[in-house]
Amino acid sequence: DTAVSQTPKYLVTQMGNDKSIKCEQNLGHDTMYWYKQDSKKFLKIMFSYNNKELIINETVPNRFSPKSPDKAHLNLHINSLELGDSAVYFCASSQGDGVNSPLHFGNGTRLTVT
Amino acid sequence: SQKIEQNSEALNIQEGKTATLTCNYTNYSPAYLQWYRQDPGRGPVFLLLIRENEKEKRKERLKVTFDTTLKQSLFHITASQPADSATYLCALPLSGGYNKLIFGAGTRLAVHP
Repeated sequence: DTAVSQTPKYLVTQMGNDKSIKCEQNLGHDTMYWYKQDSKKFLKIMFSYNNKELIINETVPNRFSPKSPDKAHLNLHINSLELGDSAVYFCASSQGDGVNSPLHFGNGTRLTVT
Repeated sequence: SQKIEQNSEALNIQEGKTATLTCNYTNYSPAYLQWYRQDPGRGPVFLLLIRENEKEKRKERLKVTFDTTLKQSLFHITASQPADSATYLCALPLSGGYNKLIFGAGTRLAVHP
């Protein structure tokens, strides 16, 4: 069974469109994250939820809106997509409030905006 | 500002040798440090966590050291195998609670038969 699963794996879309990426974890973890990996391979945190509550909200355009319907799911909705949004987006989860805990990552969603 | 540096050049070594990867940081006093492995097209996979009061941690062929004076962690793979070829990332938590990890850009390791 896949521990952290993201869909879709690939997403190709045009500028200005709105798209969503879904994430589910079956590890029973309380904390979930969205990370962005750009072309230079840096992984940067975007958001984190603990038990459905937003606890980390980095400087991310407000076109990005995370939603956590329950602690096993964290979705990412992106409005008015721009070329610079092209990247690989990773979902992750960790136990408890996450401190001292390793992250379990999904296999990423490669977003290409044309 | 806080910075993590990993050797951006790929490390090429012969099978059976020990690979040593470096993670340096500045303007941090992290309580712990983590190492991850990332294969192409996959998400990072957690390998080891070492706390500031631990000088060394081992797991099978892996060894991590943490020198808070030098602000450096070394990651060693002994008896390396071609299957160890991947990108290795170090990660540090920012202060302020929660698991706000900052990742280095990673070092690509290639182990040749």
